[in-house]
Amino acid sequence: GQQLNQSPQSMFIQEGEDVSMNCTSSSIFNTWLWYKQDPGEGPVLLIALYKAGELTSNGRLTAQFGITRKDSFLNISASIPSDVGIYFCAGSNVNNNDMRFGAGTRLTVKP
Amino acid sequence: NAGVTQTPKFQVLKTGQSMTLQCAQDMNHEYMSWYRQDPGMGLRLIHYSVGAGITDQGEVPNGYNVSRSTTEDFPLRLLSAAPSQTSVYFCASSQTLGTLHFGNGTRLTVT
Repeated sequence: GQQLNQSPQSMFIQEGEDVSMNCTSSSIFNTWLWYKQDPGEGPVLLIALYKAGELTSNGRLTAQFGITRKDSFLNISASIPSDVGIYFCAGSNVNNNDMRFGAGTRLTVKP
Repeated sequence: NAGVTQTPKFQVLKTGQSMTLQCAQDMNHEYMSWYRQDPGMGLRLIHYSVGAGITDQGEVPNGYNVSRSTTEDFPLRLLSAAPSQTSVYFCASSQTLGTLHFGNGTRLTVT
């Protein structure tokens, strides 16, 4: 099956620092997505990418869909305490109707 | 606006017991899915449905059954619970594959 490798597994950073995490796949995806999960809640969509090479921003978040369609990264600039949570990458293909998730990056922001 | 509602929030079962995890959405979404979340493994797809009367298996379907008799509801059944099914279960829905809306999860413990 399709495997997504997400790194790093966890990050401990100081408030104000920038963060970068990425995801690679053994297969090609048509769509890459980034979700954030707060404790005790379900994941919430942050950014969706639909085209190879696409670079999309959502406030302090920027994500890119890799040219090979097998990878994606998410950057968070000037981190704040509410950025704490687990970030998941996900890839999907319209043809097979399912979406696969990475194992997540747990982000801790120290004030 | 309720979105995706999962019940119960917590459940403890003994090995061999059966139960149904409920999921309902009020957004008229065609696509619904069930994931399980285990530490270090991200979210893994159990079953999904692209519309009423249509279901299909995901990555880890063994031990689980689903049905989709209405657009709104997508229950997940455990026929004979096993300790390996201890996990947090998330239901999700979307109009188009990718922009999933998740419920807040059901935390299941099987002893």
